[in-house]
Amino acid sequence: AIRITQSPSSLSASTGDRVTITCRASQGISSYLAWYQQKPGKAPKLLIYAASTLQSGVPSRFSGSGSGTDFTLTISCLQSEDFATYYCQQYYNSPFTFGPGTTVDIK
Amino acid sequence: QVQLQESGPGLVKPSETLSLNCTVSGGSITSYYWSWIRQPPGKGLEWIGNIYYSGSTNYNPSLESRVTILVDTSKSQFSLKLSSVTAADTAVYFCARHERRHGSTSSLDSWGQGNLVTVSS
Repeated sequence: AIRITQSPSSLSASTGDRVTITCRASQGISSYLAWYQQKPGKAPKLLIYAASTLQSGVPSRFSGSGSGTDFTLTISCLQSEDFATYYCQQYYNSPFTFGPGTTVDIK
Repeated sequence: QVQLQESGPGLVKPSETLSLNCTVSGGSITSYYWSWIRQPPGKGLEWIGNIYYSGSTNYNPSLESRVTILVDTSKSQFSLKLSSVTAADTAVYFCARHERRHGSTSSLDSWGQGNLVTVSS
């Protein structure tokens, strides 16, 4: 199975900050990568698919980049509603594996 | 806008079989792949497997010996059965849709709210 790592595992930030989360796959996955946001007690919400395509309805402050093995999620100007846990997921090969998550909390 | 809703018991005894249904509304179950994902309390997400509306399945090898996913297009439902459960199977179980028609290798764009299943005697 393809292993996915994320860094950092957690970070503290303030409203208005620029935040970057990194995801790395154990082998090349082209652009078959998605990013999800999850808030406590809720289902994950798709933010970005195909590494850089913004899901409909998701604010443009979210962006994704990368291909192959290294990927990045950037939040350009953190808002209060963005404090959550973020997961990346590869869907290049079954089993479709998730990263361990990055929790963004308030500094 | 498609909606998914999980249903099933919240408590299952060790060694028994966990059974959950996912009902799809507001859209068609045909032409898509449908997945089950679980999340133990306080932990990350684990993909369990998926099914195409035609009935073809893919399972996570880590669970394959205990998992069965079925689809009933007449009811717009798909289901999960996990046998021989232990406390390690305690988790919130989510159902979700793959966003690309006919595409198993696509992201998960619509999710159910989740169903907490506790394994305990």
